[in-house]
Order: sequence, then C-alpha cells, then structure tokens
Amino acid sequence: AQKITQTQPGMFVQEKEAVTLDCTYDTSDPSYGLFWYKQPSSGEMIFLIYQGSYDQQNATEGRYSLNFQKARKSANLVISASQLGDSAMYFCAMREGPYNQGGKLIFGQGTELSVKP
Amino acid sequence: DVKVTQSSRYLVKRTGEKVFLECVQDMDHENMFWYRQDPGLGLRLIYFSYDVKMKEKGDIPEGYSVSREKKERFSLILESASTNQTSMYLCASSTSKAPASTQYFGPGTRLLVL
Repeated sequence: AQKITQTQPGMFVQEKEAVTLDCTYDTSDPSYGLFWYKQPSSGEMIFLIYQGSYDQQNATEGRYSLNFQKARKSANLVISASQLGDSAMYFCAMREGPYNQGGKLIFGQGTELSVKP
Repeated sequence: DVKVTQSSRYLVKRTGEKVFLECVQDMDHENMFWYRQDPGLGLRLIYFSYDVKMKEKGDIPEGYSVSREKKERFSLILESASTNQTSMYLCASSTSKAPASTQYFGPGTRLLVL
C-alpha cells in the first residue's frame, strides 16, 4: 500500500501567488516525521521543512509552511508569494518510528511545480 | 555545511560491467542511504547503513550490493549492470541525534547502461 501519496503530478502557479502541494500519508506508528524536499532541474535534493507527529504547531520556514492535519493524515506544503526559482519537483517524505532509529524515509512520487511569469 | 559528494555526475556503462558508485560525507553521520530515482516513481531505497560495516536492504535491493568500510564512505555496487538499472542514483546521509534530522543528499549520478 502506498504510504505517501502525492496526487498532483504537475501544477502551475502564477508568480507571486500562493500554491498548495498535497501530501497524504499512512502509518499506524504514533511517532513519525514528515519532510518536504525540493529538486530543481539540476538534480540536487534540497530540504525545505519538517513536521514531527507530536508537534502542536504547523511548521514554517520563510515562505514555506506545512499544513499538518493529523486526523486526516495530510501534510500539505504551502508556498507563499511564488517565485520563478520555485519551479522544481517537490517531494513529500515520511520517517516512521522514533528519530533515533535510523531515519529511513519513504518518498512520494513528487509534484512538478511550474511558476509562470 | 554538510557535504555529500558522489564520485560521478554522469556514467555510461555496458551491460554486464561491474559498476561502482561512491559516496562520501563529511559530517560524521551514522546513517547513509542509496536511492534510485525514476520518473513517476519518486525515490526508492536500495540499501542503507546505520553504522560502519552494517547494511540493510531497502525496497529494491535486487541486482545491487553495498559496502561501508569507513564511516564516511558508502559504496553502491552493480555486480553486472543491466539496461533496467539505467537511472539517477542518489546518496544521502543523516544523523539520528535529533528529531528534525533531515537527510542530506549528494548531487546524484545519472547512470546509462547500454
């Protein structure tokens, strides 16, 4: 069964607008972590934001915020004020279990975001 | 800054060749990982290692082996390359000392098997 699902293979957004990239996950472990990565066309994976399963508040990092809805098992990434440089592939990932047990991640299929001028 | 380096950005090999992909990290991380990335499939874990000389199979270990003789170095070996191993290979490392510990990735190796 798919543990991390990104249902949007591709998305377009107008420059300076906000965009939400969807991610749903499936786990029965009470302790887990959720990550978002950006992969530009150059290929490197860039860490954007992290949300722990016990965190009470939604994570934010600059223009990135994570809309964490635990009961719905969703962890959507919100990018505010999109820039041309935000055009990239975005991956949602989950770490199951406590962080001190290796940190293996499961990745979604990715969403390709294109920002239009 | 964490640095993860991979021995090659691009590699072309023939079917049946033995292929070595090297990964080195400079942050004293305990954990190291090898993924392959294919369009529409995301990143799939091949092998990972929690410590020197330790290795565990990921989701798609068939056709691959790994070696971790030193903490900073994790090698992926394709014993006999096949065309279906043409892919992007990404190495990553992480520490298990903090909840928000992310994986740091190398630049990737695009492997073409002819």
